Amino acid sequence: RKEVEQDPGPFNVPEGATVAFNCTYSNSASQSFFWYRQDCRKEPKLLMSVYSSGNEDGRFTAQLNRASQYISLLIRDSKLSDSATYLCVVTKEYYKLSFGAGTTVTVRA
Amino acid sequence: EAGVAQSPRYKIIEKRQSVAFWCNPISGHATLYWYQQILGQGPKLLIQFQNNGVVDDSQLPKDRFSAERLKGVDSTLKIQPAKLEDSAVYLCASSLDGTTYNEQFFGPGTRLTVL
Repeated sequence: RKEVEQDPGPFNVPEGATVAFNCTYSNSASQSFFWYRQDCRKEPKLLMSVYSSGNEDGRFTAQLNRASQYISLLIRDSKLSDSATYLCVVTKEYYKLSFGAGTTVTVRA
Repeated sequence: EAGVAQSPRYKIIEKRQSVAFWCNPISGHATLYWYQQILGQGPKLLIQFQNNGVVDDSQLPKDRFSAERLKGVDSTLKIQPAKLEDSAVYLCASSLDGTTYNEQFFGPGTRLTVL
């Protein structure tokens, strides 16, 4: 079983729509969780950390469910600029990051 | 502030040839990482340096891959000899330190094609 699994998508949504997707992780001892964004042929960049109580950053909301070992990301009022691959990231021991394969989101006009 | 620099940006070689990649991290960042990202997959950590010491190289194919970080700043990753399956983007990242979570900043990557 992979350490981090994501639905690859693609999620194809119109501008203004809400899109949400999950990621599951296998190591129950995982400590920290993040969403990174990777634009086509670009490097990954940190989008947001995921806290146990859930957190928002503008139009983005992240949730963590430790009991079921999944993380979610919700994007409200999608913009064309939100088109990207979203990488779910989980820390292993000593803060080593383990990346999922990514979920591709395409926002159409 | 300058970001992580990598060169070359693209490299095409034939199998069994050698290749080297260079990375210059953000100034002051003690921790440097090399990742391999195969098309359609997430980045996979190859090696992590803390200053000029290796913290983790458990996923580095040591029979063909080597890396060094002399003087705790720049780093080079070498593949010798290359195989077809080494075709990937090689990403370098740096962070303030690797003992607690600090955001990792990635360079633009080197896209390697092995023919």
